[in-house]
Amino acid sequence: DIVMTQTPLSLSVTPGQPASISCKSSQSLLHRDGKTYFYWYLQKPGQPPQLLIYEVSNRFSGVPDRFSGSGSGTDFTLKISRVEAEDVGVYYCMQSILVPYTFGQGTKLEIK
Amino acid sequence: EVQLVESGGGLVQPGGSLRLSCEVSGFTFSRYWVTWVRQAPGKGLEWVANIKPDGSEKHYVDSVKGRFTISRDNAKNSLYLQMNSLRAEDTAVYYCATLQTDYWGQGTLVTVSS
Repeated sequence: DIVMTQTPLSLSVTPGQPASISCKSSQSLLHRDGKTYFYWYLQKPGQPPQLLIYEVSNRFSGVPDRFSGSGSGTDFTLKISRVEAEDVGVYYCMQSILVPYTFGQGTKLEIK
Repeated sequence: EVQLVESGGGLVQPGGSLRLSCEVSGFTFSRYWVTWVRQAPGKGLEWVANIKPDGSEKHYVDSVKGRFTISRDNAKNSLYLQMNSLRAEDTAVYYCATLQTDYWGQGTLVTVSS
């Protein structure tokens, strides 16, 4: 199975400041079709996860542009340019190039 | 309005069985792969199983292979998860989801305990 490793596991950020989360996969997520099957999700307290970024860098519908994704192959980053109070929750990376799909351990974002 | 509503969770003894259902409305269910994702209390997300739109292809995480069966009835806009030989480590909230469109239910809690 592909192992997804996130760092850090927790983050405390002052509103208006940037935040960054890293995710590394144990093997390349680049498919021969040219797509990279890597995603970022946010799970707010008491809610199911919601998709933020698909295929490394594409913001899902309705996601604010303060969220951006980058990376390639096995190393990926989620950046929040200016953290807002509504961004609190747990961020997960996920791969879907191979079954079983696998998630990272999660990164808990708190507001200072 | 898109809705995915899970049901069938509850308390079951180790070794017992449960059948989860996910009733879908508001989109064309038959077009999409559908997935079960679970979350143990206070833990992270775990992908459990998925099924192709026509039901001809199914995949499972190793820890549930041979015990869980995913199925769907496109005529009823419904997804199912038959869970047998349940273990304490299967205790979790189970979500149904269409990952392609990011539609998720609110989850149903399964507790395996004596």
